[in-house]
Amino acid sequence: AQSVTQPDIHITVSEGASLELRCNYSYGATPYLFWYVQSPGQGLQLLLKYFSGDTLVQGIKGFEAEFKRSQSSFNLRKPSVHWSDAAEYFCAVGAFTDKLIFGTGTRLQVFP
Amino acid sequence: EAQVTQNPRYLITVTGKKLTVTCSQNMNHEYMSWYRQDPGLGLRQIYYSMNVEVTDKGDVPEGYKVSRKEKRNFPLILESPSPNQTSLYFCASTRGGNLNYGYTFGSGTRLTVV
Repeated sequence: AQSVTQPDIHITVSEGASLELRCNYSYGATPYLFWYVQSPGQGLQLLLKYFSGDTLVQGIKGFEAEFKRSQSSFNLRKPSVHWSDAAEYFCAVGAFTDKLIFGTGTRLQVFP
Repeated sequence: EAQVTQNPRYLITVTGKKLTVTCSQNMNHEYMSWYRQDPGLGLRQIYYSMNVEVTDKGDVPEGYKVSRKEKRNFPLILESPSPNQTSLYFCASTRGGNLNYGYTFGSGTRLTVV
């Protein structure tokens, strides 16, 4: 079955610390992978996406993600977190014309 | 500005009273979709539309209807809302059902059914 797992429901980090949010997927075809961010009271904004090629992709707001086919993972990273990064983060997977399947989200809290 | 516009942002209604949540996009996107977001469940697809007059069920279509008479609009209809439809709803669109571009999301509609 197609699925996306975000094992961490809630993560707390200090401002300036590094961040890694985990995402594992199960998908039959070659997947398209996405990370979205949802700030409080807002819709979802696309952070970055991976289709093919270089397995390390850069996104907006200083985020990056690495696709590891052998581990079926697409983890999101940021070297130094800012207080404004506090939000909920969703990993999603899909195929060329297929719907997006979302994970259950990881809520990030940032302490000063 | 390219955007997906949902209305209303907040809605409180009573069980059984028909309601419509509107969704409009100005990007000439063919593909549109409705999701509901519930704590611990992430986003689940309700209905989607590949183009005008073409709609299909997603994962949780029970209790909902949609229509796609015009390319830009994709309203979500709850003909007899129930409390288990209390949720945060998002409309999204993309070009030609091609995920190369990801989805553009609306700001959401928080619905409470009492």
